[in-house]
Amino acid sequence: DTGVSQDPRHKITKRGQNVTFRCDPISEHNRLYWYRQTLGQGPEFLTYFQNEAQLEKSRLLSDRFSAERPKGSFSTLEIQRTEQGDSAMYLCASSPGVAGENGELFFGEGSRLTVL
Amino acid sequence: RKEVEQDPGPFNVPEGATVAFNCTYSNSASQSFFWYRQDCRKEPKLLMSVYSSGNEDGRFTAQLNRASQYISLLIRDSKLSDSATYLCVVTFSGGYNKLIFGAGTRLAVHP
Repeated sequence: DTGVSQDPRHKITKRGQNVTFRCDPISEHNRLYWYRQTLGQGPEFLTYFQNEAQLEKSRLLSDRFSAERPKGSFSTLEIQRTEQGDSAMYLCASSPGVAGENGELFFGEGSRLTVL
Repeated sequence: RKEVEQDPGPFNVPEGATVAFNCTYSNSASQSFFWYRQDCRKEPKLLMSVYSSGNEDGRFTAQLNRASQYISLLIRDSKLSDSATYLCVVTFSGGYNKLIFGAGTRLAVHP
């Protein structure tokens, strides 16, 4: 399977703990996105990379959240001092070019975070 | 006000019915428009782009009204397999790589 893969698929943690999610995009895609989705809502933009450069970050992303894409391939999203409100599905997506041109983001199956 | 608004539904329709969803967006400088489909507990997938002249893909027709800032999706001859959440997606001027998703409209097609 050469699609977008995310790990872990599920994470249960206690409030105050740190968690890290990994995303491996489709190999030839230079653009990578992180979204968050809660029940009954659409995906909410968090951040975007072009190669290793983080070009945009949502104002919703507090300083407890950090994302990296060190070699322009896989990416990590870390959440420090987790809160119950961080419970959500974290979706990673990639695209081969400018997403707004044809709108096609290829999403992974997501990493579901539950903060107790 | 949300950037992209949709009627959450659910729309419960029988097989063979025609159903239409609308979506409104707040930024008049919006550039590109799309419909995504998300099955239960699955990731979103692109359904179709929405062009100013309107476009059709089989049983699906998408239309854009820039003056009124709304987008529509029409599904004809609904199938059980069309049951899903339909997400309206917009990009805004200056944010061409950032796709903004609506909350989605849920469709349930029954026999």
